[in-house]
Amino acid sequence: DTGVSQNPRHKITKRGQNVTFRCDPISEHNRLYWYRQTLGQGPEFLTYFQNEAQLEKSRLLSDRFSAERPKGSFSTLEIQRTEQGDSAMYLCASSPAGFQSNEQFFGPGTRLTVL
Amino acid sequence: AQSVTQLGSHVSVSEGALVLLRCNYSSSVPPYLFWYVQYPNQGLQLLLKYTSAATLVKGINGFEAEFKKSETSFHLTKPSAHMSDAAEYFCASGGSYIPTFGRGTSLIVHP
Repeated sequence: DTGVSQNPRHKITKRGQNVTFRCDPISEHNRLYWYRQTLGQGPEFLTYFQNEAQLEKSRLLSDRFSAERPKGSFSTLEIQRTEQGDSAMYLCASSPAGFQSNEQFFGPGTRLTVL
Repeated sequence: AQSVTQLGSHVSVSEGALVLLRCNYSSSVPPYLFWYVQYPNQGLQLLLKYTSAATLVKGINGFEAEFKKSETSFHLTKPSAHMSDAAEYFCASGGSYIPTFGRGTSLIVHP
């Protein structure tokens, strides 16, 4: 069982640069979620996929953010023209199909620092 | 819309003492409720979940939580704290495919 993996674990970038994060979910899970977490806060929902379809996006997800899951397996989250306010932990989670009661399995996160 | 309130951003206990972390939910229908734990620089790990099968839910690491509809609460308890329990704890409410997380409670355990 390989769990949810995220790469890179840490990313330091300069303001205005683009960054891309990758998430590999548990293989049999068809739902994949992206969250943002800042210090002292719980995870804030950004977007989620069922298979390759992006079903919902939060209003937190500005037009600088884009997420893809092209083959229904791994996903990428890209932030264009990064701002200092984008500094946060970006968490990915996956969940099996079926029930709303299914819990989510989280990856270790990617910590982004924008200088 | 669902919401979750965790009372107390920090809870401090002595090793061996009772742990009580509070969570209240707001929902028009009985929700699905979860407690997750997060250790530094790691993702969240499920401790336990309530899905209406039983009001007292037992989880991993000796934690349990009781669903009380009359109080709209789902408090997390552990009879005896261990140093390794020091972490951030999050209550979350389901009911759709997108859970709502509380702000978290940091558990501090003193020797």
